Amino acid sequence: DVKVTQSSRYLVKRTGEKVFLECVQDMDHENMFWYRQDPGLGLRLIYFSYDVKMKEKGDIPEGYSVSREKKERFSLILESASTNQTSMYLCASTTGQGHFRLFFGSGTQLSVL
Amino acid sequence: QKEVEQNSGPLSVPEGAIASLNCTYSDRVSQSFFWYRQYSGKSPELIMSIYSNGDKEDGRFTAQLNKASQYVSLLIRDSQPSDSATYLCAVKRRNSGNTPLVFGKGTRLSVIA
Repeated sequence: DVKVTQSSRYLVKRTGEKVFLECVQDMDHENMFWYRQDPGLGLRLIYFSYDVKMKEKGDIPEGYSVSREKKERFSLILESASTNQTSMYLCASTTGQGHFRLFFGSGTQLSVL
Repeated sequence: QKEVEQNSGPLSVPEGAIASLNCTYSDRVSQSFFWYRQYSGKSPELIMSIYSNGDKEDGRFTAQLNKASQYVSLLIRDSQPSDSATYLCAVKRRNSGNTPLVFGKGTRLSVIA
């Protein structure tokens, strides 16, 4: 059974903290993605990666960075957390070949106080 | 114009009726179209994909695509209360392996027993 695992379901951080959100997939997928989901704004793409050590900016990369040192792991980093980064963060992966089916993790609800 | 647009709803239909969910997109070069379902508090999951003009049926679900009108729809026949969820329309920007999906904001469907 396919699995995308996000390290935390709920996370509370202080303004200015450096925050790491981890995502691991066990499907040998090349492509991995970080989205955030906010009420009324839908799913917005932050960053994605189509190979190890490769990264591409999505639609809202400001204030975020990513790391992909191994194929199965894609980390989202908030360098200095701010209150406007309070959101649900969703990681997803896919093979990207043919049928573009995204598999999502269960999400991390991040609150920045 | 937003890249992928959906009515936010809520769309309320009685049990057993046909629910019709609509989506328009702005990029004419888009080739691949997807419908994801998201239950409250859960992650999105793929329910339908469509790549060519016309209808595609899968059980109670029918996806319809009209590229000339840049319009995608999802019909749910014999709607059940378990179909109550938010339905996300997603479009692949270009027909290659590494470009990401763009999501609409979703339409919330409520099926009344």
